[in-house]
Amino acid sequence: GDSVTQMEGPVTLSEEAFLTINCTYTATGYPSLFWYVQYPGEGLQLLLKATKADDKGSNKGFEATYRKETTSFHLEKGSVQVSDSAVYFCALVTQGGSEKLVFGKGTKLTVNP
Amino acid sequence: DADVTQTPRNRITKTGKRIMLECSQTKGHDRMYWYRQDPGLGLRLIYYSFDVKDINKGEISDGYSVSRQAQAKFSLSLESAIPNQTALYFCATSDGTRTEAFFGQGTRLTVV
Repeated sequence: GDSVTQMEGPVTLSEEAFLTINCTYTATGYPSLFWYVQYPGEGLQLLLKATKADDKGSNKGFEATYRKETTSFHLEKGSVQVSDSAVYFCALVTQGGSEKLVFGKGTKLTVNP
Repeated sequence: DADVTQTPRNRITKTGKRIMLECSQTKGHDRMYWYRQDPGLGLRLIYYSFDVKDINKGEISDGYSVSRQAQAKFSLSLESAIPNQTALYFCATSDGTRTEAFFGQGTRLTVV
């Protein structure tokens, strides 16, 4: 079935470091891809999305590009801040029939000053 | 007010008790979902509903049931709670496959 695999954490970085969180997917057809973020004690909120191949989603300095050839949607940020500390989830929405939102296991990021 | 509201926010219950978690939304979306979050396992789909008359099982529906009382309300029930149902539960809504889902703040359930 459709699935998402993302790098396991936790990830600990110093402020202003470069961030990459890898995400690959398995799906039939052309899923939409998402990154969600969960700050401590809160629900998930959308960080960025891409709905077709080669689309680049971006928000708050984060970027991810929908790569169909490698079935990947890696999250990047050039310079992280302490306020970026959170859990990040890669997700896809399956296509055709019973569309549903499928999540990866999440990657916890801690940014130290 | 939040777009997606879950009640209660926290609950401790005993093994064997029946418990209901409630979710209401003001987004006007047709699609609603229940997930549980466990450390290291991410979010797993319990049930989802595309409209009032359409209820579907997710990957971990055993031990749970749902009711879609109206477009805006989607409740999750544990008929006889057991300790391994201790988790953080999230309700979410969306209006389509290519748009974002909106999440409630979660219900932390502990079964003792």
